[in-house]
Amino acid sequence: NAGVTQTPKFQVLKTGQSMTLQCAQDMNHNSMYWYRQDPGMGLRLIYYSASEGTTDKGEVPNGYNVSRLNKREFSLRLESAAPSQTSVYFCASRGRHGGYTFGSGTRLTVV
Amino acid sequence: DQQVKQNSPSLSVQEGRISILNCDYTNSMFDYFLWYKKYPAEGPTFLISISSIKDKNEDGRFTVFLNKSAKHLSLHIVPSQPGDSAVYFCAAEYSGGGADGLTFGKGTHLIIQP
Repeated sequence: NAGVTQTPKFQVLKTGQSMTLQCAQDMNHNSMYWYRQDPGMGLRLIYYSASEGTTDKGEVPNGYNVSRLNKREFSLRLESAAPSQTSVYFCASRGRHGGYTFGSGTRLTVV
Repeated sequence: DQQVKQNSPSLSVQEGRISILNCDYTNSMFDYFLWYKKYPAEGPTFLISISSIKDKNEDGRFTVFLNKSAKHLSLHIVPSQPGDSAVYFCAAEYSGGGADGLTFGKGTHLIIQP
């Protein structure tokens, strides 16, 4: 099925460990996004990529890096995980006419 | 400073009745508004949207109303069904801002009671 695929679905990290969350879309969308969702906080934008080759900070970028590998893939990296980064992470892509499609999320726990 | 506010964390409605979810925004630059529905362990899914040039948009059981002067929008679900139980997020964007993403409210957990 067409859409946004995120891997992994679940991950437990120790404080200080690093990891990369993967995201791929097969809808030929130009723009891609990483959000985090915390209890009672809604979704907050971490980073986005308006088009292949560009990335920009969102509302809460500290502690994260991103790579727009190609038009399909947009990865989110935690270089040194902290307990404050325990969250559910959602990747999304945006079509030309403004429709956003979200992945099913990655639930990350940092202990 | 929260630019999109959903002041009701939860709402309980009887099956068959109308559900009304409210959303307020502070940024007057926002000109496109969306509602997303989210089930546990799934990503948000698009429900309905409205442009600032309109004051109403309808899609089946779902209607969104926009009051620009009050910076307020609402989602009406009629009649409410058990499958409507979910968290609903209000989101907004400024279309002239490029592709810099949506700003979300904190969500309202809608519970449809039989």
